[in-house]
Amino acid sequence: QSALTQPPSASGSPGQSVTISCTGTSSDVGGYNYVSWYQHHPGKAPKLMIYEVYKRPSGVPDRFSGSKSGNTASLTVSGLQAEDEADYYCNSYAGGALYVFGTGTKVTVL
Amino acid sequence: QIQLQQSGPGLVKPSQTLSLTCAISGDSVSSNSVAWNWIRKSPSRGLEWLGRTYYRSRWYNDYAVFVNSRITVNPDTSKNQFSLQLNSVTPEDTAVYYCARDSGYLLDYWGQGTLVTVSS
Repeated sequence: QSALTQPPSASGSPGQSVTISCTGTSSDVGGYNYVSWYQHHPGKAPKLMIYEVYKRPSGVPDRFSGSKSGNTASLTVSGLQAEDEADYYCNSYAGGALYVFGTGTKVTVL
Repeated sequence: QIQLQQSGPGLVKPSQTLSLTCAISGDSVSSNSVAWNWIRKSPSRGLEWLGRTYYRSRWYNDYAVFVNSRITVNPDTSKNQFSLQLNSVTPEDTAVYYCARDSGYLLDYWGQGTLVTVSS
């Protein structure tokens, strides 16, 4: 099972929006609505930001939103804030292969 | 308040076995509605899901194909924890290892992470 493909980096100024793509196949992203997104600050544990494509856990700001079209899922961060600067990883259920993560995207707030 | 507390050595010699433990508070390793996972992160390969254990009237395990022959994830009901054993390690296994709870296709609680270096 190959890792899902994410752009290595994305950036935006405070207040702007940034969208991160996560491309897989019909065996993972395209086959199930079980895409989740994780925010990872260095030295800390990853934090769940989005699950089941678009749902937000309690406590996650509504600036974070998720969507999916075909084999590509996306995470959008609106109204960028300094604390949003982190690495972001998508994850998808992949049937018999269980779970596959994306390659990761470093978001920089300019 | 669910918390996962990891423990284990940070240095393992090549060809030996990596062993880590994840102690659970606020939930039960024997819960019928969650699964207990191990994930690792390395600079070269990012996040990788390794395996999990869960209880549904009996114990089950699932492992990633790329470590399937070397990995064991075991529950310890007496201590409410679960463990990771990875055999025959090489420097490629150097990574930060995390335990995490899966409550239905999402990893909602994570341990603090343990840097494990494979080196002689």
